[in-house]
Amino acid sequence: GENVEQHPSTLSVQEGDSAVIKCTYSDSASNYFPWYKQELGKRPQLIIDIRSNVGEKKDQRIAVTLNKTAKHFSLHITETQPEDSAVYFCAAAMDSSYKLIFGSGTRLLVRP
Amino acid sequence: SQTIHQWPATLVQPVGSPLSLECTVEGTSNPNLYWYRQAAGRGLQLLFYSVGIGQISSEVPQNLSASRPQDRQFILSSKKLLLSDSGFYLCAWSVETGYTGELFFGEGSRLTVL
Repeated sequence: GENVEQHPSTLSVQEGDSAVIKCTYSDSASNYFPWYKQELGKRPQLIIDIRSNVGEKKDQRIAVTLNKTAKHFSLHITETQPEDSAVYFCAAAMDSSYKLIFGSGTRLLVRP
Repeated sequence: SQTIHQWPATLVQPVGSPLSLECTVEGTSNPNLYWYRQAAGRGLQLLFYSVGIGQISSEVPQNLSASRPQDRQFILSSKKLLLSDSGFYLCAWSVETGYTGELFFGEGSRLTVL
């Protein structure tokens, strides 16, 4: 089955700097890659996703890139702000599957 | 609008006791329903998912079970809890027409087994 690895487990950046979180997946049939953000004490929420027919997607300060050949995808946050502090999860799935497999999470701390 | 309710929010149970966590979704019909467990450093682990009443798929062999007695109700159970069952349990739903992307999570149930 699908396995998703996520790095780093913790990341501390200065406010205004960029943050990058990387994930690799094992199943080449996976074609949907979302990212979820979980603020302290709250439920995970989708922040951005990408499908395998595109290599990059942006939404304001957030971008996701996908390299299908290498089977890895990354989340990029620019101009980080304290409210970006949270745990971020990557995930992978096949469109034909009901199973979304998550990475182990990255705790991002943005220092003011 | 769609909402998801999960309870209880917090539970402390002794080893060997039974468990029942309940989840209901409102505002949609025939949702796909999921139970995930979140353990420290291990991310979100898929435990069960259901695409319809009475249809349960198990992803991790363990002493937990799931049931879907009604279209928008999903229950996580155990007959005898283990210490290793401690964790944060999240119910989630997605739209009926195949896997179209977003999972909507409940607020979670924190289980501590002593």
